Amino acid sequence: DAKTTQPTSMDCAEGRAANLPCNHSTISGNEYVYWYRQIHSQGPQYIIHGLKNNETNEMASLIITEDRKSSTLILPHATLRDTAVYYCIVQAYITGANSKLTFGKGITLSVRP
Amino acid sequence: ETGVTQSPTHLIKTRGQQVTLRCSSQSGHNTVSWYQQALGQGPQFIFQYYREEENGRGNFPPRFSGLQFPNYSSELNVNALELDDSALYLCASSFPGPTYEQYFGPGTRLTVT
Repeated sequence: DAKTTQPTSMDCAEGRAANLPCNHSTISGNEYVYWYRQIHSQGPQYIIHGLKNNETNEMASLIITEDRKSSTLILPHATLRDTAVYYCIVQAYITGANSKLTFGKGITLSVRP
Repeated sequence: ETGVTQSPTHLIKTRGQQVTLRCSSQSGHNTVSWYQQALGQGPQFIFQYYREEENGRGNFPPRFSGLQFPNYSSELNVNALELDDSALYLCASSFPGPTYEQYFGPGTRLTVT
């Protein structure tokens, strides 16, 4: 079972920031928070991951609370192409392999013009 | 750099038949994972291959089997197809590292009638 809880859906206006929440209250000390997204009819796409510090890359920012029990993915300037299902996943790093991703149902983000 | 490719794109089979799906991993990636995604659900982990050996399996029956070849490409075989096997089958490749990402292909849409 997925270790995360996400709202079912949300929307935001194009050009505005999209803040996608995720609860992971049972996260272990060695587990990372990953975000993937899946645009309709495509394979999931990696966005960002973090352990305990906030992270930023060219796609998004990840804010993890100090107790690590929740996080927020921020798309700073959402575009229509950001409409997708966003998955929050917690996973430990394991050397080598046996590194399955456990997906929940994700949150459907709809960006409106 | 070539991404993950899968073939065929779409496939229609009859209940009881057998099917083989193919995946070419991203250059330099020696780990391949397979996922099944039913309509409206997140992807579910089937199994993973690392250096040509199965290395981790999800809750799928033995009629789901696979192979990984020396060039790290992979096959997913499903015997005795059932109607519930209708889904999008996703292949993901990765290279084990400190924390790694999985790169997904576009998937194969299998319909069992």
